[in-house]
Amino acid sequence: KQEVTQIPAALSVPEGENLVLNCSFTDSAIYNLQWFRQDPGKGLTSLLLIQSSQREQTSGRLNASLDKSSGRSTLYIAASQPGDSATYLCALNYGGSQGNLIFGKGTKLSVKP
Amino acid sequence: EADIYQTPRYLVIGTGKKITLECSQTMGHDKMYWYQQDPGMELHLIHYSYGVNSTEKGDLSSESTVSRIRTEHFPLTLESARPSHTSQYLCASSPSPGELFFGEGSRLTVL
Repeated sequence: KQEVTQIPAALSVPEGENLVLNCSFTDSAIYNLQWFRQDPGKGLTSLLLIQSSQREQTSGRLNASLDKSSGRSTLYIAASQPGDSATYLCALNYGGSQGNLIFGKGTKLSVKP
Repeated sequence: EADIYQTPRYLVIGTGKKITLECSQTMGHDKMYWYQQDPGMELHLIHYSYGVNSTEKGDLSSESTVSRIRTEHFPLTLESARPSHTSQYLCASSPSPGELFFGEGSRLTVL
C-alpha cells in the first residue's frame, strides 16, 4: 500500500533563507506527483506538477524534483518570504488515468520577518 | 486560475439535520472529487466522479452521498449529520490525470 511521508512536520526559518521540503513514498509506481500549498482554513493551491517521466519542474522561486527510484520528491523554495508561510502538501497520483491522489500530512512552514 | 466554488464555506448545525454541500466548476472538467480533511491531518478521498451520472466511493468510507446530474455540479449530502461528521470537505476537479484544482473548502461543525 502506497504511503506518503513529509518531513519535517513543521519548519520555521528567517526571511531570505533557501529551504527544502521533503516528500517520500513507498511505491515507485506513480503516475505523477503534485505539490500544493494550503493556507489556514482554505483549499489547496497547485504549485507544481511533475510527470513520472520528468525529474524536475520550476516555477519562479520554486523547484520540485522527483526521484522515483529512491521514492523521494523535494520542493526547494529560494529566498523565502513571510508570504510563503503555509502548509505544503505533496500528493501522488497512483491511479493512473483515474487520477486518484494520496496525500501526505504536509509541512507547516513559517517564515519570520 | 481555477474556477471552482464551494458553498457554504462554514456551517454549524445540530445533530440529525440533513445538509448538502455544493460544489460547482466552470471549467468543463469531467472528473470531480470530494476529499475530507481533519485538522492537521492528510486529505482522504471520499467520492469521485468521471462525468455525468458517474459516482464512485473513495478510499475513506463515508456516510455521505453524492450526485452528478450536470457536469458543473457535484453536491455532497449527509442525510443525518452527527458530531463525527465535523470536518473540512474539499471539492476538486481535474482536466488531466493527477492534476487537481481545489475549491476553498466547506468547514462543517455538527453540535
